[in-house]
Amino acid sequence: KQEVTQIPAALSVPEGENLVLNCSFTDSAIYNLQWFRQDPGKGLTSLLLIQSSQREQTSGRLNASLDKSSGRSTLYIAASQPGDSATYLCAVRDNYGQNFVFGPGTRLSVLP
Amino acid sequence: GAGVSQTPSNKVTEKGKYVELRCDPISGHTALYWYRQSLGQGPEFLIYFQGTGAADDSGLPNDRFFAVRPEGSVSTLKIQRTERGDSAVYLCASSASGTWGETQYFGPGTRLLVL
Repeated sequence: KQEVTQIPAALSVPEGENLVLNCSFTDSAIYNLQWFRQDPGKGLTSLLLIQSSQREQTSGRLNASLDKSSGRSTLYIAASQPGDSATYLCAVRDNYGQNFVFGPGTRLSVLP
Repeated sequence: GAGVSQTPSNKVTEKGKYVELRCDPISGHTALYWYRQSLGQGPEFLIYFQGTGAADDSGLPNDRFFAVRPEGSVSTLKIQRTERGDSAVYLCASSASGTWGETQYFGPGTRLLVL
């Protein structure tokens, strides 16, 4: 059974810092991996989707990498802003079903 | 519609009662998913619809949970004899066709509290 973990559980940084969020998964037979953002009381917003054949995806200040063989993905946020404060969730879609398996999330606070 | 919508946004009920949660997917999306998110956890998969049929209901925790999508658009998640442990945020997502590489678009969720 696929399991997804995220480190750290919570992170607080001053504005302007670059930061890295980590995601690990136990079964490398994944189809794709997606990073989401969740604001309090809100649904999930898709940030980046990486197919299993890709190594990374970039969108603005965000860069996500994927190392399928080692079961890891990182989300890099450059020049963090207070508006980046949210919970960041990593989710993998494996080769056995249509659903995502989510990690528990990293709660990020960017202090002005 | 512009996005996935869910109603109600909040639902408070008493233990043992029956509840229905509604999801309106993005217009034209054939794939629809239900997830449940407990406090401090990531969402957990419940059920996936392709059109009107439940293609995968392996995440439903027990037979008190049931979902329908009779016309292939709106879906209703039904919970019988609610228990306090059912308290969570229920999220709905849709995707265009359910193919493997697609992004899922999530609604804001329904926050269910069972007293």
